Amino acid sequence: GNSVTQMEGPVTLSEEAFLTINCTYTATGYPSLFWYVQYPGEGLQLLLKATKADDKGSNKGFEATYRKETTSFHLEKGSVQVSDSAVYFCALTRSGTSYDKVIFGPGTSLSVIP
Amino acid sequence: EPEVTQTPSHQVTQMGQEVILRCVPISNHLYFYWYRQILGQKVEFLVSFYNNEISEKSEIFDDQFSVERPDGSNFTLKIRSTKLEDSAMYFCASEGQGAVPQHFGDGTRLSIL
Repeated sequence: GNSVTQMEGPVTLSEEAFLTINCTYTATGYPSLFWYVQYPGEGLQLLLKATKADDKGSNKGFEATYRKETTSFHLEKGSVQVSDSAVYFCALTRSGTSYDKVIFGPGTSLSVIP
Repeated sequence: EPEVTQTPSHQVTQMGQEVILRCVPISNHLYFYWYRQILGQKVEFLVSFYNNEISEKSEIFDDQFSVERPDGSNFTLKIRSTKLEDSAMYFCASEGQGAVPQHFGDGTRLSIL
């Protein structure tokens, strides 16, 4: 079936460090891929998305590239800030299915310390 | 920017009681969803709803659960007889036409005592 796997957390980084959160997926065809972020006490916000192979999603300094050959969608940021502390969810919607449920990974908690 | 709003933000209920969680989707959206997140676990799909009927439901969404769009604006999730394991954060989401990802509300934290 369709699923998403993420690196386990929690991840603790110092401010201005480089961030990578690994994400791999299992799906048939060409799913759409997403990163959602959940700040403490808040709901889920879409951070970025990519809908086809080699697409790069980017937002707020975060980037992720849709890699079909490795079925991956790793999240990166060159210099993290304390305000980036949150839980990050990699997710997908199934190929060729409009208005589809979102399938989430388990989430990776990030803490950025000054 | 339009938002999905959920009420209440926190609901405390005795086991066995009925609970209704409310959501107001974005006004021109046509597709609606409920998800839940048990504390410390991943977000799980419960049900999707379109054109006044359920499009898809997960195995979690058993006979104790129901959804309704009673008045054209609200979208509700009802749990008939709550169990301890229903304690979770419940998220509503809505989606419009075109390549627009789902928008999520801030969630309702449901605590069953």
